[in-house]
Amino acid sequence: DQQVKQNSPSLSVQEGRISILNCDYTNSMFDYFLWYKKYPAEGPTFLISISSIKDKNEDGRFTVFLNKSAKHLSLHIVPSQPGDSAVYFCAPTGANSKLTFGKGITLSVRP
Amino acid sequence: NAGVMQNPRHLVRRRGQEARLRCSPVKGHSHVYWYRQLPEEGLKFMVYLQKENIIDESGMPKERFSAEFPKEGPSILRIQQVVRGDSAAYFCASSPDSPGNTIYFGEGSWLTVV
Repeated sequence: DQQVKQNSPSLSVQEGRISILNCDYTNSMFDYFLWYKKYPAEGPTFLISISSIKDKNEDGRFTVFLNKSAKHLSLHIVPSQPGDSAVYFCAPTGANSKLTFGKGITLSVRP
Repeated sequence: NAGVMQNPRHLVRRRGQEARLRCSPVKGHSHVYWYRQLPEEGLKFMVYLQKENIIDESGMPKERFSAEFPKEGPSILRIQQVVRGDSAAYFCASSPDSPGNTIYFGEGSWLTVV
C-alpha cells in the first residue's frame, strides 16, 4: 500500500536548468508536505515544506507546488547546481505527525 | 542535521546478538521518531515516542524490537536476536511539537548483521 509515489526513480538535468521532481499521494488526511534531501551515508536534511492551505511555497531556488485536488506536489529547483545532486524524498504527514516517505528520486545535475 | 545525535554510526552484530541504537534529540525537542531504510527503499516509519510514552508503534515489528524514551537520557531502539534482514540504516528524528512542525533527522546508524 504505497501512499506516496515518486514514480521517476532518477532525473538528470544540465547545470543552470530547471529540475522538476514530482510526487503523488493517495491519503487525503495528509495536510503538511515536506521535502527532504539525502546524500549517501547521511541523514535526510529538511529542504522545504508546504501546508495544505497553500498551493505554493518558495524559498530561494526551491519552490514547492501543491495540487490538492490531484493529490500531487512538485519540487522545482532553478537554477540547478551540481551540489543539488542527491536523493530527494517527498514526505507528507497528517494529524498523527508521522512522515510517510516516497522511495525517492535521484537527481543528477551535470556540470 | 540540527543537532540530532545518533550512536553508534556503524554497528556490526552476529546473528542472535542484541543491537542497541541510541538517539539524543535536539535540545528542547520532546518528540522522537525512529525510521528504518532498507536498501533501495524509502524510509519506513517505526515508532513515535514522547518522554516516557510510546505514542505510535504501528511500524515496529511485533517481535524482537522495542523502543524507549526515558525521562532522562537518550532514546534507545533495541533489537534482540538480530537476523540478517535487520541490516539497514536506522534514522532517528526529533521535533519540538506536533503536528505540522519540521522533523529533523540524525545522521543514522548503520546496522550490519553477519
